[in-house]
Amino acid sequence: GGIITQTPKFLIGQEGQKLTLKCQQNFNHDTMYWYRQDSGKGLRLIYYSITENDLQKGDLSEGYDASREKKSSFSLTVTSAQKNEMAVFLCASSRTGVGNTLYFGEGSRLIVV
Amino acid sequence: GEQVEQRPPHLSVREGDSAVITCTYTDPNSYYFFWYKQEPGASLQLLMKVFSSTEINEGQGFTVLLNKKDKRLSLNLTAAHPGDSAAYFCAVRISNTGYQNFYFGKGTSLTVIP
Repeated sequence: GGIITQTPKFLIGQEGQKLTLKCQQNFNHDTMYWYRQDSGKGLRLIYYSITENDLQKGDLSEGYDASREKKSSFSLTVTSAQKNEMAVFLCASSRTGVGNTLYFGEGSRLIVV
Repeated sequence: GEQVEQRPPHLSVREGDSAVITCTYTDPNSYYFFWYKQEPGASLQLLMKVFSSTEINEGQGFTVLLNKKDKRLSLNLTAAHPGDSAAYFCAVRISNTGYQNFYFGKGTSLTVIP
């Protein structure tokens, strides 16, 4: 088994501020993901990475940057926080391969004041 | 691209009753199907992974049915109890894509009334 750890659990920032969320996994998975979860809208993919130093844009990448510093970690930066971006951000990982299961962290809630 | 529609968005049932959540999808190459459960304040936990070769899949207290002809996936909770109260999400992956993406339904918020 393994675990995905997201920090911080709550991230509070001001409008226009650059804010960073971090994710660590010990599954030894190759692929990592960042999703945004808004109530009533399901999960939308922001960025994913299939290996260290790889970055792939998802459907919602505008306004975000990501960094895969090493295999076990994947960070997401909100480049200029806006109040309409308040949501829960979920990090996930999986082994490479279409049929493999996605495992999720517990989420980080972004609050913009 | 793939479109996944999940119904209903909210569902309230009494303890002991059945609850059915349905997802429809559009891409005929959809091959892997997943149901996740998310309890309040918690992460998404995998309930079941289904391959397109199997139409009926039974778990503990629930059944997942896959109808490939109608492109419909359903989660049936046979005798709901308060611990089943959570959000449920279906997800679909397509077999012939290199894009490492899951297509998620928008979720169903299930409330089981004691």
